[in-house]
Amino acid sequence: EADIYQTPRYLVIGTGKKITLECSQTMGHDKMYWYQQDPGMELHLIHYSYGVNSTEKGDLSSESTVSRIRTEHFPLTLESARPSHTSQYLCANSAPGTEEYFGPGTRLTVL
Amino acid sequence: GENVEQHPSTLSVQEGDSAVIKCTYSDSASNYFPWYKQELGKRPQLIIDIRSNVGEKKDQRIAVTLNKTAKHFSLHITETQPEDSAVYFCAAPDTGRRALTFGSGTRLQVQP
Repeated sequence: EADIYQTPRYLVIGTGKKITLECSQTMGHDKMYWYQQDPGMELHLIHYSYGVNSTEKGDLSSESTVSRIRTEHFPLTLESARPSHTSQYLCANSAPGTEEYFGPGTRLTVL
Repeated sequence: GENVEQHPSTLSVQEGDSAVIKCTYSDSASNYFPWYKQELGKRPQLIIDIRSNVGEKKDQRIAVTLNKTAKHFSLHITETQPEDSAVYFCAAPDTGRRALTFGSGTRLQVQP
């Protein structure tokens, strides 16, 4: 079934660790996005991509980086995790002129 | 860029009453307006959307209205039920960067 997948779903990690949150899709959409969201609060766009080899920074200043080497994958990397990074991270994609479709999210806790 | 404002931030209604959530946007070139529902612990999911060539769209108990002149759009939920309790987000496209700009969300609580 065409969908968008995120791993891990939950992650607890210590300060200073490097982490990569995975996002993959089987929908073939060019545009992909990363949002940071505290539970039930605003959605903050942190990165987006128009397609392979395209990455752009969003609104929220973030110490994360992304890559888009393949259409299917859009991983998010934190070089050095801090407690302020504790949040939910949502990956999304969209087809031209349509809504954004969200993945299930990764809930990150940095101790 | 696009600026989307959403009101109210919280809304409590009795079961069976109607609920209305309002949003305004700034980019007059915007032509697509989706609404998302996010239940506790789940991802935001599209519930209804409207394009700029129509003024109203209905889907059972939910409807969306659009006033392009005033640059505002609203979500209407009739005959509310406890399972309508969630956070609702409106959105409008930022035509410059081709991504949605989301409102700040409305927490709807339907009291049984």
